[in-house]
Amino acid sequence: GQQLNQSPQSMFIQEGEDVSMNCTSSSIFNTWLWYKQDPGEGPVLLIALYKAGELTSNGRLTAQFGITRKDSFLNISASIPSDVGIYFCASGTYKYIFGTGTRLKVLA
Amino acid sequence: ETGVTQTPRHLVMGMTNKKSLKCEQHLGHNAMYWYKQSAKKPLELMFVYSLEERVENNSVPSRFSPECPNSSHLFLHLHTLQPEDSALYLCASSQEDRGYSNTGELFFGEGSRLTVL
Repeated sequence: GQQLNQSPQSMFIQEGEDVSMNCTSSSIFNTWLWYKQDPGEGPVLLIALYKAGELTSNGRLTAQFGITRKDSFLNISASIPSDVGIYFCASGTYKYIFGTGTRLKVLA
Repeated sequence: ETGVTQTPRHLVMGMTNKKSLKCEQHLGHNAMYWYKQSAKKPLELMFVYSLEERVENNSVPSRFSPECPNSSHLFLHLHTLQPEDSALYLCASSQEDRGYSNTGELFFGEGSRLTVL
């Protein structure tokens, strides 16, 4: 079945560093979404992308919809301790599938 | 506060119990979803309701029974569950553009943590 490959699975970084993670798909989709999930909470939408090549920012977060429509990346600039959590990509047209998540830990 | 409220937040039940999870959305959306989140697995779509009509049942065992009485409320009725059903159950809603079969952004509730003993 369809699946999204998300990498890296986890990362430890120092506060102030930039972070990059990406998702790839074997299929072409119309939408890419990026979510963050804190422990014991539901995923919170960070950025939505609807057009190939689209680059969108939300504060220190920037995400891009790949030109091939089969990938997307999320960058976090100047990370801070509250960025810790699990980041998920989701993609789809009529219904969404989710990546396995990137667990981010920020060392102060 | 995402506009999607789930209750209870935590539930412990025995394998012979019957319980229900409740979800309410205040966003005016026309589609609601149940997802299952287990450790180290991607979110698994269980059910989709669009305009109160079930449009997707993702091969979910019959011990899970959804109900959508109106576009703002969604229930998941649970009976004779197994320990492997222990997971975080997430409700979500979206505004679906049915003319183009395009699904809008998903907004999730905080989840109901279910433990089956």
